[in-house]
Amino acid sequence: EAGVAQSPRYKIIEKRQSVAFWCNPISGHATLYWYQQILGQGPKLLIQFQNNGVVDDSQLPKDRFSAERLKGVDSTLKIQPAKLEDSAVYLCASSLDPGGASYEQYFGPGTRLTVT
Amino acid sequence: GQNIDQPTEMTATEGAIVQINCTYQTSGFNGLFWYQQHAGEAPTFLSYNVLDGLEEKGRFSSFLSRSKGYSYLLLKELQMKDSASYLCAVRYSGATNKLIFGTGTLLAVQP
Repeated sequence: EAGVAQSPRYKIIEKRQSVAFWCNPISGHATLYWYQQILGQGPKLLIQFQNNGVVDDSQLPKDRFSAERLKGVDSTLKIQPAKLEDSAVYLCASSLDPGGASYEQYFGPGTRLTVT
Repeated sequence: GQNIDQPTEMTATEGAIVQINCTYQTSGFNGLFWYQQHAGEAPTFLSYNVLDGLEEKGRFSSFLSRSKGYSYLLLKELQMKDSASYLCAVRYSGATNKLIFGTGTLLAVQP
């Protein structure tokens, strides 16, 4: 079974530039998550999709971050304009069905963003 | 708020046993996960506890006490490859499956 795919793996941009990350979840997984992990911290949920609908974006800085999941499969996360404090690893995860008894989240390899 | 506390760093010796604690304060608790994260890699699932007691899986075991808001991850027969960050994550009840992660415990296994 293929895992969660993410690209690019690394990205370096200057502040005020824009950047986009792509995620392809495990086939059949209805729920997709984007996390931000700053060095030395645990992952922080930015946004959660159930199929192509948003179920939680309470911690997404909506003035600069946006995300979409068209057709309920792939997803993109965009930052525009980037700030220095956005330097982090952006992790995408997916799970089968949040209504299940034990719905493990499977993580992709992440995109390491450096904003200079 | 949801405070999930775990030690920042721990050091242990190869072949020994180490226990990593996690305490949490969260309403709507509906399960606790432990993930392992090697440097520069994605977190990988280790264990899930929703009822009180001990879950054993090979060299790794995880314990939960819901009344105390407490969990621990026990690693036996430590190997060098166990050097990693161990993340405790608490799940909310409801349909969103939202996880709140602790900051992680960086474990260094020494020869």
